[in-house]
Amino acid sequence: DIQMTQSPSTLSASVGDRVSFTCRASESLTTLLAWYQQKPGKVPKLLMFDASNLISGVPSRFSGSGSGTEFTLTISSLQPDDFATYYCQQYVSYPYTFGQGTKLEI
Amino acid sequence: EVQLVESGGGLVQPGGSLRLSCAGSGFTFSDYWMHWVRQAPGKGLEWVSSINLEGSATRYADSVKGRFTISRDNANNTLYFQMNSLTAEDTAVYYCARVRSTFHECFEKWGQGTLVTVSS
Repeated sequence: DIQMTQSPSTLSASVGDRVSFTCRASESLTTLLAWYQQKPGKVPKLLMFDASNLISGVPSRFSGSGSGTEFTLTISSLQPDDFATYYCQQYVSYPYTFGQGTKLEI
Repeated sequence: EVQLVESGGGLVQPGGSLRLSCAGSGFTFSDYWMHWVRQAPGKGLEWVSSINLEGSATRYADSVKGRFTISRDNANNTLYFQMNSLTAEDTAVYYCARVRSTFHECFEKWGQGTLVTVSS
């Protein structure tokens, strides 16, 4: 199974900050990686697919990069609505696996 | 508007069974692979099962293999998840999820989730 490791587990930041999260895979994913945002008590929301493709409607302050085993999600200027938990997920091979999440807090 | 609506969750005793349903609307159900993803209380997301377009190919996480069965009824736009021999470790919110496309098997659309609680 492909192991997904996200860092940091928790990130404290302020409105207006630029932040980045890392997701590392135990095997190459090429670019078959997705990012999700989840707020407490809510359904996960797909932000990005194929590592760097933004889902329609997601603000352009979100960007993704990387390939192979290392990936990054960046938020260029944090807004109050962005405080949530972020998960990466690989879909190159079964079982599909998620990272443990990065909680972004104020 | 794409909608996925789960039902069937609830409280069940250890060793018991439950059948979840997920009704899809607003899209051509038979054109998409479907998945179940779960989230234990306070924990992260865990992929548990998938099914292909026709329902002829299924996949399971090791944690549920042999106990859970995924199926679909394309005529009625419904996904199912039969869960047997439930244990406390199966307690979670269960989400059905639709992939973005055949070539992008990330989860673009999610149901609201249904809570399964396994407890005596």
